[in-house]
Amino acid sequence: QQPVQSPQAVILREGEDAVINCSSSKALYSVHWYRQKHGEAPVFLMILLKGGEQKGHEKISASFNEKKQQSSLYLTASQLSYSGTYFCGTALYGGSQGNLIFGKGTKLSVKP
Amino acid sequence: DGGITQSPKYLFRKEGQNVTLSCEQNLNHDAMYWYRQDPGQGLRLIYYSQIVNDFQKGDIAEGYSVSREKKESFPLTVTSAQKNPTAFYLCASSDTAGYSNQPQHFGDGTRLSIL
Repeated sequence: QQPVQSPQAVILREGEDAVINCSSSKALYSVHWYRQKHGEAPVFLMILLKGGEQKGHEKISASFNEKKQQSSLYLTASQLSYSGTYFCGTALYGGSQGNLIFGKGTKLSVKP
Repeated sequence: DGGITQSPKYLFRKEGQNVTLSCEQNLNHDAMYWYRQDPGQGLRLIYYSQIVNDFQKGDIAEGYSVSREKKESFPLTVTSAQKNPTAFYLCASSDTAGYSNQPQHFGDGTRLSIL
């Protein structure tokens, strides 16, 4: 049930764009995105819900394709501060059964 | 400022010893979670609690125990039955109990190693 993230790692130059994908074999209720810098706490970026609702930072862009059960996180005009490991967390259900299952992460490195 | 405080930052466990990791939140959140993070494995759920005096096992609960006597506190005990405890442990909380449409807020983690 663990979602699959791709790519596993990506290296960018400042100003370049990247897309990180998160795919599930099960129908999803929601997808969460978090960024974690080494040795630090994961930081919330975005929630995408079945039906199209989104919650998160204005500067973060993401999509959720319900037919494919796939979410994509779009990082545009990357900055050095974007470096870190990005995790998606998926929930099969809402309500009290809505615990997250996290993918293994995508490591993003932004170089000057 | 509100947030989640985990302590200690680093912890060492001797063979056969139980150790307890502290997690305190002042966000007035109902739900609290414990995750284990190993290199390259993402976050795996150990235990979660949706309300005081109630908690549920996650995917990898064996060798761990928790309590939820107060809304703001959710300590995790790593028992001697957990044969491979070396990992980074993260505590999290969310506003509405267990609802997957709420963001989780994480503490800074505790890194546990075996002596």
